[in-house]
Amino acid sequence: GENVEQHPSTLSVQEGDSAVIKCTYSDSASNYFPWYKQELGKRPQLIIDIRSNVGEKKDQRIAVTLNKTAKHFSLHITETQPEDSAVYFCAASYGGGADGLTFGKGTHLIIQP
Amino acid sequence: SAVISQKPSRDICQRGTSLTIQCQVDSQVTMMFWYRQQPGQSLTLIATANQGSEATYESGFVIDKFPISRPNLTFSTLTVSNMSPEDSSIYLCSVADGELFFGEGSRLTVL
Repeated sequence: GENVEQHPSTLSVQEGDSAVIKCTYSDSASNYFPWYKQELGKRPQLIIDIRSNVGEKKDQRIAVTLNKTAKHFSLHITETQPEDSAVYFCAASYGGGADGLTFGKGTHLIIQP
Repeated sequence: SAVISQKPSRDICQRGTSLTIQCQVDSQVTMMFWYRQQPGQSLTLIATANQGSEATYESGFVIDKFPISRPNLTFSTLTVSNMSPEDSSIYLCSVADGELFFGEGSRLTVL
């Protein structure tokens, strides 16, 4: 089955700086890669996703890049703000959709004022 | 986007008992899932709840421990049977409707 590795487990950045979280996956058949944000005590919420037919996707301060050859994908957050503090999970699926997602272990992002 | 109602939101249970968690969606969805999130951990898929047939369980999860019902396209239940402290977790119902949406979760503490 699919295995998703996520690094780092904790990331502390100064407010206004950029944050990068990296994930690798094992199954070359995987073709859908979402990122979820989970604030303390709340449900995970999708912030951005990418499919294997594109290499990069951007939504305001958030971007995701995908390298299919190397089987890794990354989340980039620019101009970080205090409300970006949360746990971020990457995931992968070979169904082309959201079914059967395998999640990474999560990254606790801390934005220092 | 799908709106998912889950209950109970939290419960404290005694060892050896069973608890059923309910999940209601505001629209008909084909794919419903149950995930477990142990304290401070990631999300692990327990099973896919199939309407009109038995659930499909992931490796490490069995029907006797986590029986699931899916009587229609808007509702599902997950039962955690014969609970032990190791079952203390957040159990999340989710639906695939273009993306994966999660319920608020049911936080179970087993004493």
